[in-house]
Amino acid sequence: DAGITQSPRHKVTETGTPVTLRCHQTENHRYMYWYRQDPGHGLRLIHYSYGVKDTDKGEVSDGYSVSRSKTEDFLLTLESATSSQTSVYFCATGVGGGTEAFFGQGTRLTVV
Amino acid sequence: GENVEQHPSTLSVQEGDSAVIKCTYSDSASNYFPWYKQELGKRPQLIIDIRSNVGEKKDQRIAVTLNKTAKHFSLHITETQPEDSAVYFCAATFNQAGTALIFGKGTTLSVSS
Repeated sequence: DAGITQSPRHKVTETGTPVTLRCHQTENHRYMYWYRQDPGHGLRLIHYSYGVKDTDKGEVSDGYSVSRSKTEDFLLTLESATSSQTSVYFCATGVGGGTEAFFGQGTRLTVV
Repeated sequence: GENVEQHPSTLSVQEGDSAVIKCTYSDSASNYFPWYKQELGKRPQLIIDIRSNVGEKKDQRIAVTLNKTAKHFSLHITETQPEDSAVYFCAATFNQAGTALIFGKGTTLSVSS
């Protein structure tokens, strides 16, 4: 498996608070992605990055922002958490567009 | 927008039977079609993939077929075993999303012995 580490692995937070999830990779992959996984919806793309400081929106980007200041780190921020953002969040990386994506272990986020 | 449809959502087979999962995609420019397996509580992991210049690919008991004209691709698992029980996701690249992978909603495969 690619060296992809997500932190935290579990988090419970209150509605209205900001939350930041971190993805760290040691593979020097150019591309990084954030997905959320919900029952009945599969994996949905939130945001992606194709290089340092280069990011773009995915299918379900409302309420989320990202930053990538270094190749190895991709941060996902929920600006003001809502209960609808309760989910399992997966980070993934890849060497280029149109290639295999390697997934991190996931972060289970609960917004109460 | 980008879309990948996956069917069926659940599939139950007896050990030794074959299983087939089908996906369709909307972007005719898509050129990479991977399949991922996710066991309970684990991360998705690639099991097989195919590119648009290939019609079929096999790896032991697993095969994937691609019909670019019809924009659909399928996963075939032969001689199923209980350890094949998992959620399977198809995916396709979309140029409008920076060639990121867009996933189907998944198929829960249950193999009973």
